[in-house]
Amino acid sequence: RKEVEQDPGPFNVPEGATVAFNCTYSNSASQSFFWYRQDCRKEPKLLMSVYSSGNEDGRFTAQLNRASQYISLLIRDSKLSDSATYLCVVVYGPFLGGGATNKLIFGTGTLLAVQP
Amino acid sequence: DAGVTQSPTHLIKTRGQQVTLRCSPKSGHDTVSWYQQALGQGPQFIFQYYEEEERQRGNFPDRFSGHQFPNYSSELNVNALLLGDSALYLCASSARGGTAYEQYFGPGTRLTVT
Repeated sequence: RKEVEQDPGPFNVPEGATVAFNCTYSNSASQSFFWYRQDCRKEPKLLMSVYSSGNEDGRFTAQLNRASQYISLLIRDSKLSDSATYLCVVVYGPFLGGGATNKLIFGTGTLLAVQP
Repeated sequence: DAGVTQSPTHLIKTRGQQVTLRCSPKSGHDTVSWYQQALGQGPQFIFQYYEEEERQRGNFPDRFSGHQFPNYSSELNVNALLLGDSALYLCASSARGGTAYEQYFGPGTRLTVT
């Protein structure tokens, strides 16, 4: 079983639609959670962190359910510019410190295509 | 403020050859991590360097090795290339004392092994 699982999609939605992505993780020791965005043939970029209390950034809302080991990302009022691959990322354990940075564990990504 | 830079952008090699990829971290960052992203997959952690030492390693064979220089830049070396090594190789930098898990990615080097 993969450590982080996502539906690869593609999700084809019209402009203005609301779309939700889900992600599950297998290691209950996972400590921190993120959504990254990756445009075609580009590097991943941090979209937002995910907290148990949920967090919102404009049209984007992220939720974490530790009991179910489940993370979600909701995009409202989709724009053409939202077309990209969305990567779910988890980090295990407490912050390592001592100069080390905890490695990022990525899901395979979910491809979103927003249609005009 | 320069971000993470990587070179070369693209590279084509033949099976059995060796390759060296280079990364310069974001200004003020001293930790470099390398990731491999195969087509249609998420990035996978290869290893991480801090203070010129390998601090963590993912599940990659010894053919993958690295180095960090005193100026914090880093190299990734892959020996005896296999077709399966074809991928986008991403470098990410972070800063000790910065946000615990914040890493900034470079544009990557796309390696094709024929």
